[in-house]
Amino acid sequence: QKEVEQNSGPLSVPEGAIASLNCTYSDRGSQSFFWYRQYSGKSPELIMSIYSNGDKEDGRFTAQLNKASQYVSLLIRDSQPSDSATYLCAVNMDTGRRALTFGSGTRLQVQP
Amino acid sequence: SAVISQKPSRDICQRGTSLTIQCQVDSQVTMMFWYRQQPGQSLTLIATANQGSEATYESGFVIDKFPISRPNLTFSTLTVSNMSPEDSSIYLCSVRDFTDTQYFGPGTRLTVL
Repeated sequence: QKEVEQNSGPLSVPEGAIASLNCTYSDRGSQSFFWYRQYSGKSPELIMSIYSNGDKEDGRFTAQLNKASQYVSLLIRDSQPSDSATYLCAVNMDTGRRALTFGSGTRLQVQP
Repeated sequence: SAVISQKPSRDICQRGTSLTIQCQVDSQVTMMFWYRQQPGQSLTLIATANQGSEATYESGFVIDKFPISRPNLTFSTLTVSNMSPEDSSIYLCSVRDFTDTQYFGPGTRLTVL
């Protein structure tokens, strides 16, 4: 079983719609959670972090965390073609491993 | 956030040669890591670079193939040794700062002929 799971997509949404990206993780002791955006040919860029249950909003982005369900999501409101990228979920697992554990990423396509 | 630079940004190398990639951070960080990302794939952790001691390698990666140095808190190198076309990939330096946030450098795109 993969430690951090994401649907690979592509997830296709029309411009102006809400894009919903989901991630589940296996380690119940995980404490911190991150979303990265990666454009083709570029390195991952941190866009959101979340540490406690509930919602965290930053501009058009909202991260949602539910530790009981071991589920974290990213909502992108008013999606723009420039949001088209691969979104990586990353988890700081309580396994003694010092690096974040990454999902395989979801490719988002925003159609103009 | 930490600003990370990598050199070279890209290189084309011949089979059997070695390439050393440098990673420089503009501030002291707690952890430094090296990742590989093959075309169309997600990130694979190669190793954690430990200051002043041997790196900690992930399963499937060995020191003879990927020697790593970290002489101080802001600098690390990764060498890809005895390269083959299967080593063609993007190599990424990553750091974890004192807020436990992890950042990535711009990457080194390696092509092995």
